[in-house]
Amino acid sequence: DQQVKQNSPSLSVQEGRISILNCDYTNSMFDYFLWYKKYPAEGPTFLISISSIKDKNEDGRFTVFLNKSAKHLSLHIVPSQPGDSAVYFCAASDEGGGGSNYKLTFGKGTLLTVNP
Amino acid sequence: DVKVTQSSRYLVKRTGEKVFLECVQDMDHENMFWYRQDPGLGLRLIYFSYDVKMKEKGDIPEGYSVSREKKERFSLILESASTNQTSMYLCASSFENQETQYFGPGTRLLVL
Repeated sequence: DQQVKQNSPSLSVQEGRISILNCDYTNSMFDYFLWYKKYPAEGPTFLISISSIKDKNEDGRFTVFLNKSAKHLSLHIVPSQPGDSAVYFCAASDEGGGGSNYKLTFGKGTLLTVNP
Repeated sequence: DVKVTQSSRYLVKRTGEKVFLECVQDMDHENMFWYRQDPGLGLRLIYFSYDVKMKEKGDIPEGYSVSREKKERFSLILESASTNQTSMYLCASSFENQETQYFGPGTRLLVL
């Protein structure tokens, strides 16, 4: 059962335009969400996160939006640059009690290609 | 600066061999994790540890074991490597009360 879904395996955009990556989740206990970026042959790097008490978080060119009622979040990159070309993973955390605190559940990733 | 290192970037092993993957973090993190990444499957959690000598199974622990004798070091062991364990293995760590995990560069393992 896939609790975090990234339904678009790939996305292609032109340099300077907006990139929108989407993520849906099914577990209503998730209350913290993160986006990671991964280049080939490297480990994922943390990009931006959002708590369920917020609906938007912004960091430079990156903004994450959260719609709790729809169990949907999105990552906006404006303007997109060729260096943004990478796989983007959405992840979610359930801050429940016990030893499993802060375990992350990842989506399958979306490959973003930004064309010059 | 956050630093997670993994002992090898590339590894080739034969079926049936015992394989050790080492991960070291220098951030004094309590939590450490082992994932594997496969095309089309994303990151899947194998095992994690929230304290020295503590371990918990993740989503796909079969065929793997782990060891955490020191806070900074978390080892993944393939007792008898099989071809279906060919994958990219990623180690990560985090503070005990924070969600953000920091990843190492990964080990690409090929089992022949």
